Amino acid sequence: KQEVTQIPAALSVPEGENLVLNCSFTDSAIYNLQWFRQDPGKGLTSLLLIQSSQREQTSGRLNASLDKSSGRSTLYIAASQPGDSATYLCAVIGNTDKLIFGTGTRLQVFP
Amino acid sequence: SQTIHQWPATLVQPVGSPLSLECTVEGTSNPNLYWYRQAAGRGLQLLFYSVGIGQISSEVPQNLSASRPQDRQFILSSKKLLLSDSGFYLCAWSRGLQGNQPQHFGDGTRLSIL
Repeated sequence: KQEVTQIPAALSVPEGENLVLNCSFTDSAIYNLQWFRQDPGKGLTSLLLIQSSQREQTSGRLNASLDKSSGRSTLYIAASQPGDSATYLCAVIGNTDKLIFGTGTRLQVFP
Repeated sequence: SQTIHQWPATLVQPVGSPLSLECTVEGTSNPNLYWYRQAAGRGLQLLFYSVGIGQISSEVPQNLSASRPQDRQFILSSKKLLLSDSGFYLCAWSRGLQGNQPQHFGDGTRLSIL
């Protein structure tokens, strides 16, 4: 059974810092891994999707990497801003075609 | 462009009352549709998914049911709500199977049971 873990559970940093959020999964047989952002009381916004054949994806200040064999992904946020404050979720899809989510990292960036 | 709508945004219901949450998708056809629940302090749990009209797969035994009466409409229902049904309900859609397409989420419905 696939399990997804995210560490740290919460993170508070000053504006301008570069951040790394971690995601690990127990079953390496995945099709893709997706990173989401969730603002308080809101739905999920898709940030990046990495196919199993890819090593990384970039969008603006965000860079996500995938090491499928070791069951790990990282989300790198460069030059963090207060607007980046949110909960970040990673999720994987395997052969069941269902997203399995981690419990998220709650990020606070203060000015 | 594609959009997904959920309503209502918030709902307060007494125990034992019925429930109907609606989700619609615009700008695409034959999407895969999903209902998730996010309980306080827990991750998202997939409740139902659908690959076509009238086709519903249930992931966990529960007090809820889902229906897909039209291609881009997905409804979450209950005949009698329980306290444990409280949570944040999210609808999502994706284009294809085999996990090669991202899922896109609506803004959610916060359901409180009294």
